[in-house]
Amino acid sequence: EDQVTQSPEALRLQEGESSSLNCSYTVSGLRGLFWYRQDPGKGPEFLFTLYSAGEEKEKERLKATLTKKESFLHITAPKPEDSATYLCAVQAKRASNDYKLSFGAGTTVTVRA
Amino acid sequence: DGGITQSPKYLFRKEGQNVTLSCEQNLNHDAMYWYRQDPGQGLRLIYYSQIVNDFQKGDIAEGYSVSREKKESFPLTVTSAQKNPTAFYLCASSIFVIRGVSQPQHFGDGTRLSIL
Repeated sequence: EDQVTQSPEALRLQEGESSSLNCSYTVSGLRGLFWYRQDPGKGPEFLFTLYSAGEEKEKERLKATLTKKESFLHITAPKPEDSATYLCAVQAKRASNDYKLSFGAGTTVTVRA
Repeated sequence: DGGITQSPKYLFRKEGQNVTLSCEQNLNHDAMYWYRQDPGQGLRLIYYSQIVNDFQKGDIAEGYSVSREKKESFPLTVTSAQKNPTAFYLCASSIFVIRGVSQPQHFGDGTRLSIL
């Protein structure tokens, strides 16, 4: 069974204080790892897909990295508008028509001005 | 603009009542999904459909039913058999792969269901 664990559950940062979120996963072969941002009362918004260990993706103040066992989402010099819950999901290599995702519980980030 | 539309935004269910949540997409995606989100838990898959007139149970299908009569639409019915229906329900859609590369799911803005 695929397992995805995100830590910490909550993170409070001062504006400009960089930090990292962790997503540890256990799957029998990784097809892809996905990061989403979710604002309160809204659906998740897609951020990045990572496919293989060593891969990195960047978007504004966010940078996602991937190893064989975990992914990190680095937030550099965060601003209050970066406050959100960040979700990690993995897609395992299974039958060719099986594209289900397994989600972690998320990390809620609060950035204070 | 292409996207996924869920309605209503808020829904209240009485005891013994079935309620239906709407999900429509104009992204021309083949696959559609229904998830349930509870506080402190990851999204859990209820049902998914990879093609019109076909769907499969996810991890928590008991007490729910779906249909996929059109590519654009994937309604979810929460039946009276679902004893703990209070949750945030999210619909998603995706293309499976492009040039062999797995594609992300895109989400609507959810329906919050509560019990009266």
